[in-house]
Amino acid sequence: GAVVSQHPSRVICKSGTSVKIECRSLDFQATTMFWYRQFPKKSLMLMATSNEGSKATYEQGVEKDKFLINHASLTLSTLTVTSAHPEDSSFYICSADDINEQYFGPGTRLTVT
Amino acid sequence: AQSVAQPEDQVNVAEGNPLTVKCTYSVSGNPYLFWYVQYPNRGLQFLLKYITGDNLVKGSYGFEAEFNKSQTSFHLKKPSALVSDSALYFCAVRDTHGAGSYQLTFGKGTKLSVIP
Repeated sequence: GAVVSQHPSRVICKSGTSVKIECRSLDFQATTMFWYRQFPKKSLMLMATSNEGSKATYEQGVEKDKFLINHASLTLSTLTVTSAHPEDSSFYICSADDINEQYFGPGTRLTVT
Repeated sequence: AQSVAQPEDQVNVAEGNPLTVKCTYSVSGNPYLFWYVQYPNRGLQFLLKYITGDNLVKGSYGFEAEFNKSQTSFHLKKPSALVSDSALYFCAVRDTHGAGSYQLTFGKGTKLSVIP
């Protein structure tokens, strides 16, 4: 199946700093990518839909100025957590859409101290 | 709006016994249905999907699922459980009708524990 990578896999940052997470589709082009957040022992919560060449569509309750999404090419989407707070600590997962199926990245564990 | 229900937070089964993880869904159009497995601190791994065709779908690692339209269910099954099957399982649905029809909606997940 198709491969989606995420970088970094794990990051620790201090409160107030910004962190960028990259999501890449390695062997296919993805017009649409998705960003999810997963709390411990919980399901995936869709944060936003990222469309190549246009603005992301954010789900209700997700601050677009805090979670900046850029989808500059058909193989790369980035999520930047700005002015991070400890409550932003979570597991962030991206996926890339390929016709009828989404392929998921391995996830990024963000810890804000 | 589409939704998915996984009624069991946890399923325990003895190694070698058959396992079932339940999933029901609600969509306005025809559903695309998926099962994913997640190991600790890892992303989601695709197990199987139903798009169209045979109601019984066979997937990775010996798993299968049956699409039942009348009961709006897509239960995950395996004839003989392995300890290595212990993980978190997510059912997901994608509606083929309406705005946002490319989005996946996930169930809350079911933790499967296979006891040696």
